[in-house]
Amino acid sequence: DSGVTQTPKHLITATGQRVTLRCSPRSGDLSVYWYQQSLDQGLQFLIHYYNGEERAKGNILERFSAQQFPDLHSELNLSSLELGDSALYFCASSVALGNSGNTIYFGEGSWLTVV
Amino acid sequence: DAKTTQPPSMDCAEGRAANLPCNHSTISGNEYVYWYRQIHSQGPQYIIHGLKNNETNEMASLIITEDRKSSTLILPHATLRDTAVYYCIVRVEEGGSEKLVFGKGTKLTVNP
Repeated sequence: DSGVTQTPKHLITATGQRVTLRCSPRSGDLSVYWYQQSLDQGLQFLIHYYNGEERAKGNILERFSAQQFPDLHSELNLSSLELGDSALYFCASSVALGNSGNTIYFGEGSWLTVV
Repeated sequence: DAKTTQPPSMDCAEGRAANLPCNHSTISGNEYVYWYRQIHSQGPQYIIHGLKNNETNEMASLIITEDRKSSTLILPHATLRDTAVYYCIVRVEEGGSEKLVFGKGTKLTVNP
């Protein structure tokens, strides 16, 4: 158990719909990362938040957005869903910023299936 | 893009040491090397990381060459449960953010 909690574990929804994925980081961790893993793309970095502020964006679609709340949990919002958005979405957390050698821990992921 | 190169697959006999190589020839002086593994579709599991010196923990050992252009992850006594995709990652810092950029990893199969 990494200490990173993601909900829901599984989600099936229709095209055009909107979903919200939730992540609770490890206790004391200020950084939250979101990754997407689809069958043919591997693990793709989406976005990084630190203490409520967006720090970096990766390959995140405009239909997707994220935020980190004052209690440090984070949500990834996916809208106008398409079949190609079906994937595993991982959240990860770490204690601090900077390349100080601290560890990034991953949750078990949220399986999203768009039908 | 990932800054590492790994063989796509490797096999190892159960009980033997598994040595997984990784090339990171463009690594900068302050960038750490991290190893994670992913079993089936579970979340990536942290294994070990290092900067310059060799590191060992309860899971594995990490050997980093003196020029830091390559490293080797050693699982001393591989078990069937070690079958997984192993990712070697150089942690990149840019614009006030540091992140892990995953490559395709090495699919390690431990055979009975």
